[in-house]
Amino acid sequence: DTAVSQTPKYLVTQMGNDKSIKCEQNLGHDTMYWYKQDSKKFLKIMFSYNNKELIINETVPNRFSPKSPDKAHLNLHINSLELGDSAVYFCASSQIVGGADTQYFGPGTRLTVL
Amino acid sequence: KQEVTQIPAALSVPEGENLVLNCSFTDSAIYNLQWFRQDPGKGLTSLLLIQSSQREQTSGRLNASLDKSSGRSTLYIAASQPGDSATYLCAVRDYNTDKLIFGTGTRLQVFP
Repeated sequence: DTAVSQTPKYLVTQMGNDKSIKCEQNLGHDTMYWYKQDSKKFLKIMFSYNNKELIINETVPNRFSPKSPDKAHLNLHINSLELGDSAVYFCASSQIVGGADTQYFGPGTRLTVL
Repeated sequence: KQEVTQIPAALSVPEGENLVLNCSFTDSAIYNLQWFRQDPGKGLTSLLLIQSSQREQTSGRLNASLDKSSGRSTLYIAASQPGDSATYLCAVRDYNTDKLIFGTGTRLQVFP
């Protein structure tokens, strides 16, 4: 039973295309996130949603648009893909329990833009 | 602006050694600090979470300490095993921005 799942695992596409990455969590968490891990393995937050509402919106190009149809899903749509978008994208979720909010990560989606 | 640094960037040790991974952060205003493990091509697995009011947490052979005032945390791994080989990331939940800020990671290799 995968707690946080992402699809697809690999995505190879041409510059200029539009693509989506889906994320689902079955943990019942209220908060979900998107992170980007670049070629140097540096992990940085992109977006955070709490109960379908946008909480954190980092300085990312507006070609990136998250969508949360319900509390268990947070999808990431990317328009007009560029070479620099190539990275691994991680979805995560968390819930505050006893004052602590451990984040649970999905397996990642490796995006390659040619 | 909160910045998180991990030293060393890479570490290679023989099996059985006890080892220490270091993490430092620039702003002591944090909610908590987490240590994660990332295996090649895989997602992150949370190992330990230390609240800002706590000094340490233990899980099996892992012990993480937190000195918030000096902006430091250490992850101690006892009796290392080849299966411990992975990249270890620390992250702080920044109080001012409410974001999880990650360090650059320590790539650990434990050889038999």
